[in-house]
Amino acid sequence: EAGVVQSPRYKIIEKKQPVAFWCNPISGHNTLYWYRQNLGQGPELLIRYENEEAVDDSQLPKDRFSAERLKGVDSTLKIQPAELGDSAVYLCASSLKDRGLRFGPGTRLTVL
Amino acid sequence: ILNVEQSPQSLHVQEGDSTNFTCSFPSSNFYALHWYRWETAKSPEALFVMTLNGDEKKKGRISATLNTKEGYSYLYIKGSQPEDSATYLCACHLNTDKLIFGTGTRLQVFP
Repeated sequence: EAGVVQSPRYKIIEKKQPVAFWCNPISGHNTLYWYRQNLGQGPELLIRYENEEAVDDSQLPKDRFSAERLKGVDSTLKIQPAELGDSAVYLCASSLKDRGLRFGPGTRLTVL
Repeated sequence: ILNVEQSPQSLHVQEGDSTNFTCSFPSSNFYALHWYRWETAKSPEALFVMTLNGDEKKKGRISATLNTKEGYSYLYIKGSQPEDSATYLCACHLNTDKLIFGTGTRLQVFP
């Protein structure tokens, strides 16, 4: 079984630039999550999808962050414009309902 | 405020030592407790999912216990090896569908 795939693995950009992350979940997993992990902290949920519907985006900073999950499979997370404080690891995870999460390797974003 | 807390924040042990760390979580609206192991540059790997008070799970040299009434879980590693070095995350799944992560315990095992 292929795991959760994320790209890119690393991204370095200057502040005010846009950036996008891509996630391909495990086949058949209807739930997809985007988490952000700041240094020294635990992962924090940004958005959760059930199929193509965003069911929890309460922690997503909507002024600069957007996400989509067209067709209920792949997902992209975008930041525009990026700020210094956005430097973090962005983790994508997927799950079957009521089962444990399977994580991707994450994208480490550095904003200069 | 719903907090999941882990202690210690970091731990350095010698190869062969046994060790344990703690995860405390809100006991109200509890649904499940997850433990993950996260090695640098890799994906967090699921270790255990526990739901019932008194649950004990074991995977090789790693085991975990759960007390939902008092809101804590212990993770034990017997005879630590250098390859056990990682960050161990716990996450509390509430019946509101929220999964709240702790900050992790960073374990370093020296040969």
